[in-house]
This record gives sequence, structure tokens and C-alpha cells, in this order.
Amino acid sequence: ILNVEQSPQSLHVQEGDSTNFTCSFPSSNFYALHWYRWETAKSPEALFVMTLNGDEKKKGRISATLNTKEGYSYLYIKGSQPEDSATYLCAFTNSGYALNFGKGTSLLVTP
Amino acid sequence: DSGVTQTPKHLITATGQRVTLRCSPRSGDLSVYWYQQSLDQGLQFLIQYYNGEERAKGNILERFSAQQFPDLHSELNLSSLELGDSALYFCASSAQGTGYYEQYFGPGTRLTVT
Repeated sequence: ILNVEQSPQSLHVQEGDSTNFTCSFPSSNFYALHWYRWETAKSPEALFVMTLNGDEKKKGRISATLNTKEGYSYLYIKGSQPEDSATYLCAFTNSGYALNFGKGTSLLVTP
Repeated sequence: DSGVTQTPKHLITATGQRVTLRCSPRSGDLSVYWYQQSLDQGLQFLIQYYNGEERAKGNILERFSAQQFPDLHSELNLSSLELGDSALYFCASSAQGTGYYEQYFGPGTRLTVT
């Protein structure tokens, strides 16, 4: 089992705030890093798959960066909206097969 | 809707029993993954199949087994159930069997063992 750490565990921001969270993973034998968004009572939904050091991906107001040499990825949300409230999961694989998930960062955005 | 279906949605059974969870992947996806989420735990990878063959194994107990059929649907069999097996079981699928591809998750099966 590979240790994937996410911080903070939870976050509460006001509508319009920008925020970011961190995913830390083993820096050796990197294969891919995934980000998923998981809303309450739904199933996880893929945001990004990142494979190269220095990768930056963007989807609307959400973006992510990747540093494989030091073993971390940041997820940024610009101008948070209440509909962004969800748990954000990152998952790492060094084999190309099994994904090792972190416990997630739970984001609450209030109007 | 991810296109991945799982049945049943809820399952309540007694200790010692055996259950089968079913998953149909998105059309065209060759790989199926099974995950378990217990209380206060993150998603734990159980097992992966690719085009009918086992590809990777995670923290899957010996009491659990899975298979992927020629039509690519998959079943997860849980036997000699214990209280600690109560969890949300997710199935996910991806186009190919490597970590370069995003996974699409089904709605999950909530198993309660009493």
C-alpha cells in the first residue's frame, strides 16, 4: 500500500474565495496521479489524470499542477461556488494499475 | 451518469452468508476495478480485471473473489461475511487497463452485514 496524504482534511470557504489543497505521494516510480471530485450521495467523478512532471491541467475554474520529483500535486479552485462543495480525492499509481487513494479534502462553500 | 451500472444498490445480510455484487462497465471499456469504502477509510483498491483477465490485486481478502465475463460485466463475490465487511463497494471502469486512463465510477452497492 502506497501512502497518499491529502491536506487539509476539510476546508470551509465563502463563495468567491479561491482555495487550494495538496496531495503528497511517493516520489519514486511515478506513473500517474488522478484527481476525482466526490459529491455527497453520488459517485467519484474524474477531474484530471496527470502523468508528466510539471503538468498543469485546467477545467473551468479548477486547475491542478504536478511535481513528481518532490511528490506533490496541488488542486486550485478559483472563485469557489456552493456547487463546488464536495470531497476532492487524489489517487496515485506507480504500477499503472492499482490506484492508491488519499482520504480526500472535504470542501464546503457557503454563500 | 457515468454509464457504469451496479446492482443491487443496497444489500442487507447476516454474518456467515455469501453475496454477489454485479457491475456493468461503460460501453467500450475493457477494464473493471472494484473498491471498498469502509467507515473512516479511504477508497481501498480490491482488484482489477482487463478484458476478462485479472490484472492487479490489492487488499482483497481470501473470502472475496471476482471475475469478469466475456461480455465484460464483472461480479464480486463475498463469502463468510463478517460485520467488518459492511461497506460501500464501488465498481469503476476505464477504456484501457493502465493508470493513464480516468476511471468512471458506478453508483456503488451499500452492503450491511448484521
